[in-house]
Amino acid sequence: EDKVVQSPLSLVVHEGDTVTLNCSYEVTNFRSLLWYKQEKKAPTFLFMLTSSGIEKKSGRLSSILDKKELFSILNITATQTGDSAVYLCVFAGGTSYGKLTFGQGTILTVHP
Amino acid sequence: SAVISQKPSRDICQRGTSLTIQCQVDSQVTMMFWYRQQPGQSLTLIATANQGSEATYESGFVIDKFPISRPNLTFSTLTVSNMSPEDSSIYLCSVQTAGTGFNNEQFFGPGTRLTVL
Repeated sequence: EDKVVQSPLSLVVHEGDTVTLNCSYEVTNFRSLLWYKQEKKAPTFLFMLTSSGIEKKSGRLSSILDKKELFSILNITATQTGDSAVYLCVFAGGTSYGKLTFGQGTILTVHP
Repeated sequence: SAVISQKPSRDICQRGTSLTIQCQVDSQVTMMFWYRQQPGQSLTLIATANQGSEATYESGFVIDKFPISRPNLTFSTLTVSNMSPEDSSIYLCSVQTAGTGFNNEQFFGPGTRLTVL
């Protein structure tokens, strides 16, 4: 069974801090790993990673994938209160085309 | 990315009744999916909505409980039948747009928050 494990499950920081969110996976037929941000209901797409060692960046957020060690990290620098959300690590692959397997999420709270 | 809308955004229902959730996309998409997010849990795929044919259900989900329609490439419905309090969840549709191939980048609708009393 495909498995995606995130750590920590929750994190509380102050504005300006840098955070690193971790995601490890045990999956079959890997196609890509995605990161989403979920604030209220709908997850918002952040990154898709398919190749090892290539960092994806968007503003203060960045992410990288290690396909040998089967993990990914999401970094957020200079955190702001608007970064408070659940961050979801998601595996795409397996036997069902289009199926996404979600990690349990990391709840990030950024205090002013 | 596609613009996705869902109706209703929330509802409170009595046990034993059924609710149909609609998902509308502003462009034709290759694949549409329905997910459930129970309180405090992450998202779980219910089924893939196939255009013109029966939906493909994941393990633990059956057509009698969650009938799905997809009459065209921009619209789908999910019905939650004979509801019980355990069906209280957020239900989300997602789409994979044409051109993403096997990359599986999906975009989510705003979700429907269902409470069953």
